[in-house]
Amino acid sequence: AQSVSQHNHHVILSEAASLELGCNYSYGGTVNLFWYVQYPGQHLQLLLKYFSGDPLVKGIKGFEAEFIKSKFSFNLRKPSVQWSDTAEYFCAVNSERPDMRFGAGTRLTVKP
Amino acid sequence: DTAVSQTPKYLVTQMGNDKSIKCEQNLGHDTMYWYKQDSKKFLKIMFSYNNKELIINETVPNRFSPKSPDKAHLNLHINSLELGDSAVYFCASSRDRLNYEQYFGPGTRLTVT
Repeated sequence: AQSVSQHNHHVILSEAASLELGCNYSYGGTVNLFWYVQYPGQHLQLLLKYFSGDPLVKGIKGFEAEFIKSKFSFNLRKPSVQWSDTAEYFCAVNSERPDMRFGAGTRLTVKP
Repeated sequence: DTAVSQTPKYLVTQMGNDKSIKCEQNLGHDTMYWYKQDSKKFLKIMFSYNNKELIINETVPNRFSPKSPDKAHLNLHINSLELGDSAVYFCASSRDRLNYEQYFGPGTRLTVT
């Protein structure tokens, strides 16, 4: 069955630490990949997306993600997190259908 | 200017009632969606409309009925509300059914008591 897996349920980091959140998917064929962020009490905002081309994509707020086709992965990274990055992060995929399939989300807590 | 708006933002109601949530987008998009986010933050597609035509209808109880009067609006009507319907409902839109970047509304937190 098609699915999206996020390995970390809750990540706790101190400010300035580096971040990597894992995302794996199990779709065949061409996929579009996304990372969304949901700040407490707010709606989902697009951090970055991959459709084709350079597998290393840069998004807003210093985030980047790398698409590794052979590993079916699209991990999110940030070299130095800030307290304001505290939020829920969702990996999402779509392929032949326009709707998004979301991972379960990873809650990031950044301690000041 | 709000791109995707939903009303109401909060909705508290009793079991058995019928309620509606409205969604409007001013982006000129052709495709709109309803997602449900449960208490564990898991997001799942419910419906999608493209130019007022239903294109995705997941296994959602018949008590949920989407209505799209025009391509800028996608409303969600829920009959006979149950406790398990409590969740945050997000509306989203994309340029068309082939353009996969979606823009989300602020969400409607539904609480059924």
